[in-house]
Amino acid sequence: ETGVTQTPRHLVMGMTNKKSLKCEQHLGHNAMYWYKQSAKKPLELMFVYSLEERVENNSVPSRFSPECPNSSHLFLHLHTLQPEDSALYLCASSPGTTDTQYFGPGTRLTVL
Amino acid sequence: LAKTTQPISMDSYEGQEVNITCSHNNIATNDYITWYQQFPSQGPRFIIQGYKTKVTNEVASLFIPADRKSSTLSLPRVSLSDTAVYYCLVGESNSNYQLIWGAGTKLIIKP
Repeated sequence: ETGVTQTPRHLVMGMTNKKSLKCEQHLGHNAMYWYKQSAKKPLELMFVYSLEERVENNSVPSRFSPECPNSSHLFLHLHTLQPEDSALYLCASSPGTTDTQYFGPGTRLTVL
Repeated sequence: LAKTTQPISMDSYEGQEVNITCSHNNIATNDYITWYQQFPSQGPRFIIQGYKTKVTNEVASLFIPADRKSSTLSLPRVSLSDTAVYYCLVGESNSNYQLIWGAGTKLIIKP
């Protein structure tokens, strides 16, 4: 247990569906991250939030929409995804953006 | 941005010491070196971090030569549960969103 939880752990969705991934951290951290990990590819940073403000967006398609309502919660809203978006989506948190990151277990997403 | 090179895979046996070397020729003065471990279907987990010379914790040791162009993660007396992917990261300006994650080294421990 790292103190970072993600729900759901597995998600199957069609290309026309809308779904959301949820991340919650119980560590009192100020920074939160979304990563994408595709099969046989390195982790790709998608979004970074620091004190609930988005500080980094690595040219992610608009079909992925993050939301950080408070420092403990992070959402990733998904709509009209493509099959190539199938991957493990990881959430992480850290005290600040220069500190060690703590990762959640991930959500395994399959887009049909 | 600093880039790292690690072996794609390594095999070893239970009880052995395993050393995984990472090359980072373009490391900058302010960069630090961090290693993470990832088991299948889990997020990466922090192992150790260092800037120069040697760092040791309860899990591993990290050796960094004077020129800092490489680093070696040392896992003493490995067990089957150490089978995982190990990532070497070099921090640019000490910011997590400057980190580049490579493919990592897949370590397989055999009985």
